[in-house]
Amino acid sequence: AQSVTQLGSHVSVSEGALVLLRCNYSSSVPPYLFWYVQYPNQGLQLLLKYTSAATLVKGINGFEAEFKKSETSFHLTKPSAHMSDAAEYFCAVSDLSGAGSYQLTFGKGTKLSVIP
Amino acid sequence: DVKVTQSSRYLVKRTGEKVFLECVQDMDHENMFWYRQDPGLGLRLIYFSYDVKMKEKGDIPEGYSVSREKKERFSLILESASTNQTSMYLCASSPGLAGEVAGELFFGEGSRLTVL
Repeated sequence: AQSVTQLGSHVSVSEGALVLLRCNYSSSVPPYLFWYVQYPNQGLQLLLKYTSAATLVKGINGFEAEFKKSETSFHLTKPSAHMSDAAEYFCAVSDLSGAGSYQLTFGKGTKLSVIP
Repeated sequence: DVKVTQSSRYLVKRTGEKVFLECVQDMDHENMFWYRQDPGLGLRLIYFSYDVKMKEKGDIPEGYSVSREKKERFSLILESASTNQTSMYLCASSPGLAGEVAGELFFGEGSRLTVL
């Protein structure tokens, strides 16, 4: 079974500083990987996804993530944090289920705080 | 844009009541999912459906049932609500194998249920 580990349930950065949110996965096959963002009292919104094309994936709002197979990692970064980036971020890995379609397994989430 | 609509954003119910959470998607997606989200536990899959009248148990189906009578609608049912079912419930959909991109999910805004 696939699994996802997000290091750090809470991360605080200063406005303008680098954002780094860590995600490691376990998978027996080449994975599909996702980052979602959740703003307070809202559903999840896709930030970016890796589907075995370029290993550096660019997403919305200036975020990007790099797939590193040797490290089984898919860390999310943004060069300069903005106050509006304060949210909870979820990493997810995709797998084919027994019913023949894809199913996502999510990490426990990392809550990002941005300090003015 | 894909729209996934959850009928109630906030509900307050009493222990033992029957609770219906409704979810409708407008993009003709084959797959629909119900997740439960709790602080520190991330998203956990309750049930999913790959076709009308079909359902599959997820990781935590106990205490829940689902209904999918029409392709666009997927209902989550709590037969006898208990306080430990107080949570945020998230509905999601995906196109199905013919059109999906590695399992990418589209989420509704969430339904926050409080059971007293």
